[in-house]
Amino acid sequence: DAGITQSPRHKVTETGTPVTLRCHQTENHRYMYWYRQDPGHGLRLIHYSYGVKDTDKGEVSDGYSVSRSKTEDFLLTLESATSSQTSVYFCAIRDIGTGGAFFGQGTRLTVV
Amino acid sequence: KQEVTQIPAALSVPEGENLVLNCSFTDSAIYNLQWFRQDPGKGLTSLLLIQSSQREQTSGRLNASLDKSSGRSTLYIAASQPGDSATYLCAVSYGQNFVFGPGTRLSVLP
Repeated sequence: DAGITQSPRHKVTETGTPVTLRCHQTENHRYMYWYRQDPGHGLRLIHYSYGVKDTDKGEVSDGYSVSRSKTEDFLLTLESATSSQTSVYFCAIRDIGTGGAFFGQGTRLTVV
Repeated sequence: KQEVTQIPAALSVPEGENLVLNCSFTDSAIYNLQWFRQDPGKGLTSLLLIQSSQREQTSGRLNASLDKSSGRSTLYIAASQPGDSATYLCAVSYGQNFVFGPGTRLSVLP
C-alpha cells in the first residue's frame, strides 16, 4: 500500500464548516496528490505537492486549500464545506523509482 | 491537454472468457501508463505499470501492452473469473501529474 494512510476514513459535516483531511506517508515520497472521485466525473486532481511548502493547483481547486509542512503529511482543507464537495477523496504519491501512482484507501466525505 | 478515454464503459462476460480492455490517450509525451483495479467502495490498486520505453508488462493472467505512437494501451485478462469483477482504470503520467480514464466496469458471471 506504499505506506499511505488517510484520515479520517469517513466524515459527515455540516455546510459552512471547515474540514481538514490528512494524508500521511512513511516512505519519503516527494510528490503527493489529492483527487476527488465522483460518479460521471472519474478522478479529478484538486492539488498536488512537489516538496515541503511546494504546492500547485489542479483542475478542481476552487474551495480547497492544501499545506505541506513536513514531507510525510499533506493536508487538504475545505475552508467552508458545501454540498458539492460531498465526494470520495483520495491521496496518492508518485513512486520515485517507477514513476507510478499509489493510492491511499480514501476518505468518504458527506456535507449535509 | 491530455485526455484519456476507455472503451468499453462496461462489459459483462461469462466466466472463463479472455477479454480485452482498451485505453487511449491524446498526447504521446507520457512517462508511463498504469492500469488500476477498483472494487466498489474501495481504493485503487495498481495492477501493471508500463514505462514509455516498454511495449508490454505481464502479471499472472494479466498482460498490458503500450503503443505510445498511436496513443493506445490494452489490458488483456485471460481466463476471467468472477473475482475479476471490478472497475479497471488506466492512467498516464504526464508532466508532473497523472491523467485518468473514466474506467471500464467489468462483470464476470459465474
